[in-house]
Amino acid sequence: QVRLQESGPGLVKPSETLSLTCTVSGNSMSSYYWTWIRQPPGKGLEWIANIYYSGNTNYNPSLKSRVTIAVVTSKNQFSLKLSSVTAADTAVYYCASTDPNHGGFQHWGQGILVTVSS
Amino acid sequence: DIQMTQSPSSLSASVGDRVTITCRASQSISSYLNWYQQKPGKAPKLLIYTASSLQSGVPSRFSGSGSGTDFTLTISSLQPEDFAIYYCQQSYSIPRTFGPGTKVDIK
Repeated sequence: QVRLQESGPGLVKPSETLSLTCTVSGNSMSSYYWTWIRQPPGKGLEWIANIYYSGNTNYNPSLKSRVTIAVVTSKNQFSLKLSSVTAADTAVYYCASTDPNHGGFQHWGQGILVTVSS
Repeated sequence: DIQMTQSPSSLSASVGDRVTITCRASQSISSYLNWYQQKPGKAPKLLIYTASSLQSGVPSRFSGSGSGTDFTLTISSLQPEDFAIYYCQQSYSIPRTFGPGTKVDIK
């Protein structure tokens, strides 16, 4: 069973960079695409980016200029960096596995609330 | 971007009721449509992928149908644990996009 766990600071100051890591266990990282999704409090879901173990990436154009996703297969981890954050970036950030055949988000981390505030 | 809409935005139903939620895409997405259930404070859970395939471990009272632009999630007999928010999501193109959600609560 694939398990994912997000880690990183829960509070980031405006204009700084949000950095999160997702640690994957229970499966080879070559089996899925690896994805970041966020959900502002009380709102819906927004897809941020995904990455394959080979390093191929896809980004949401609305965030692309500020987002970097990376994978470190030797550590079974992938990461998210979001620069120049504002209060609008306050959200629960989820990491998830994406089935390469149907594109569904099959396994999810528990989520981590990141608040942008001074 | 492909825009996803859902109707209704919320509904009230009783245990045992048949519930139907509709999702519409702004352009054809073939069958690349997935459904999720989210309970308060929890991550979403994949229920249905490619419009009608039941994810492993999901009860058979959940079913999905549709193709092109119009899709449906049906719960044949609503159970207490089914009260949640349901989201559709297209996996046809980048960026992946979600519908706004349908909240199912107790009548």
